[in-house]
Amino acid sequence: AQKITQTQPGMFVQEKEAVTLDCTYDTSDQSYGLFWYKQPSSGEMIFLIYQGSYDEQNATEGRYSLNFQKARKSANLVISASQLGDSAMYFCAMIPYSSASKIIFGSGTRLSIRP
Amino acid sequence: DAGVTQSPTHLIKTRGQQVTLRCSPKSGHDTVSWYQQALGQGPQFIFQYYEEEERQRGNFPDRFSGHQFPNYSSELNVNALLLGDSALYLCASSLEASQETQYFGPGTRLLVL
Repeated sequence: AQKITQTQPGMFVQEKEAVTLDCTYDTSDQSYGLFWYKQPSSGEMIFLIYQGSYDEQNATEGRYSLNFQKARKSANLVISASQLGDSAMYFCAMIPYSSASKIIFGSGTRLSIRP
Repeated sequence: DAGVTQSPTHLIKTRGQQVTLRCSPKSGHDTVSWYQQALGQGPQFIFQYYEEEERQRGNFPDRFSGHQFPNYSSELNVNALLLGDSALYLCASSLEASQETQYFGPGTRLLVL
């Protein structure tokens, strides 16, 4: 079965601290992609970062990095130096390339940044 | 360069009615996917359209249907609405050759009473 699991329904973090959002995945595909999206209250899904299953280096995009541990099937998102504007829902997602059109999402983590 | 646009932004319907939601993809994109996001959950894939045909479908009943036009825009139709169809409906566009890069629109919030 293709599945994404996010075990943290909600997190509170102090501004300027780093935060790690957990994500594990399950797939039998050898070739797949992993994503993180941010969804503010407005509803739009904002792409943050992508990691391909064959990429050896962890992906980084500005303050975002993806800690990819293939053997453990985990793809945690690390946000460094959190800001108030980071408060939102965060979704981990996967695209198995055997069904190349369908993105599978986790249930999300609500991140709240305290001033 | 306009991103993905969706209309309407909000919609209220009653059970048994039919609804049509619209999506215009990002300029240059030829593929449109639709997702349903119930409150408190992650989005669920409904289907994808490419070259005016449904290419892949998620676990949704036939009440959910769609269409893609020659200009790549797309419609999602839902017949015989149920209370459980209340959700945020998201459209995502991409290039067929680059499925890992899907751009999402702001969504349509549908409330079924």
